[in-house]
Amino acid sequence: GESVGLHLPTLSVQEGDNSIINCAYSNSASDYFIWYKQESGKGPQFIIDIRSNMDKRQGQRVTVLLNKTVKHLSLQIAATQPGDSAVYFCAENAYGQNFVFGPGTRLSVLP
Amino acid sequence: DSGVTQTPKHLITATGQRVTLRCSPRSGDLSVYWYQQSLDQGLQFLIQYYNGEERAKGNILERFSAQQFPDLHSELNLSSLELGDSALYFCASSVGQTDQPQHFGDGTRLSIL
Repeated sequence: GESVGLHLPTLSVQEGDNSIINCAYSNSASDYFIWYKQESGKGPQFIIDIRSNMDKRQGQRVTVLLNKTVKHLSLQIAATQPGDSAVYFCAENAYGQNFVFGPGTRLSVLP
Repeated sequence: DSGVTQTPKHLITATGQRVTLRCSPRSGDLSVYWYQQSLDQGLQFLIQYYNGEERAKGNILERFSAQQFPDLHSELNLSSLELGDSALYFCASSVGQTDQPQHFGDGTRLSIL
C-alpha cells in the first residue's frame, strides 16, 4: 500500500490501552470538526464529527473532545485494537469555507 | 467500500506530460471534491463541483483543471507535469454542496519520472 506521511508524528500504544490523538486547529471561526482515519492504501474514512456548540461527542469506542478556548481537538479511542493502526487526520471548517485538514498522526498498535 | 471509484489506481508518466484522473461518486452524491496528498503533508483541497458546476476552489494550480459531467462523474486534468506533482490524488463525494467530504475513493497514485 501507499506510504502516507513518512515523517508524521507517531503514537504507539499497547493493544487494549486507550489512545489519545491530539489536533491543534488554527481558525477561531471554525465551527465544525471531523476526525478521519486513513489506512495504508486507502482513502480517508469518516470517524466522528463535532460542532462548536458541543464540548464532547461519543461514538462507538471513540470520543471527540473540543476545547475552543485553546483551539484544541482530541480523539480518544478506547481499548485500542490492531485494526485501529492508521493515520488519523482532524479537519476543521468555518461556515462558507472549505475543510482544512491537519497533517495527521500515525497510530501504531503494539501487540 | 465507500462507493467512490477512482481510476487508474496508479499512473506513471514523465515531466511535461498530461494525464486525466477519473472519479465516479457514490450513488446519489452530487458533490465531488478533489484533494492532493503529498508525502509528509495532509490533504490539500483542490476543487469542488456540485451537480456539474464549480462550487469552490482551493489551492489548484493553473496547470490543473477539472470538470463534472452530466452523469456526475468527474475528471481532474493535470498538464505540463512536474516532479513535484507526484502525489496521491483523492476524490471524495457528498450529497449536498455544503456537506463535508464524507466518502473518499482510494486515490490515484501519480508518479512523475
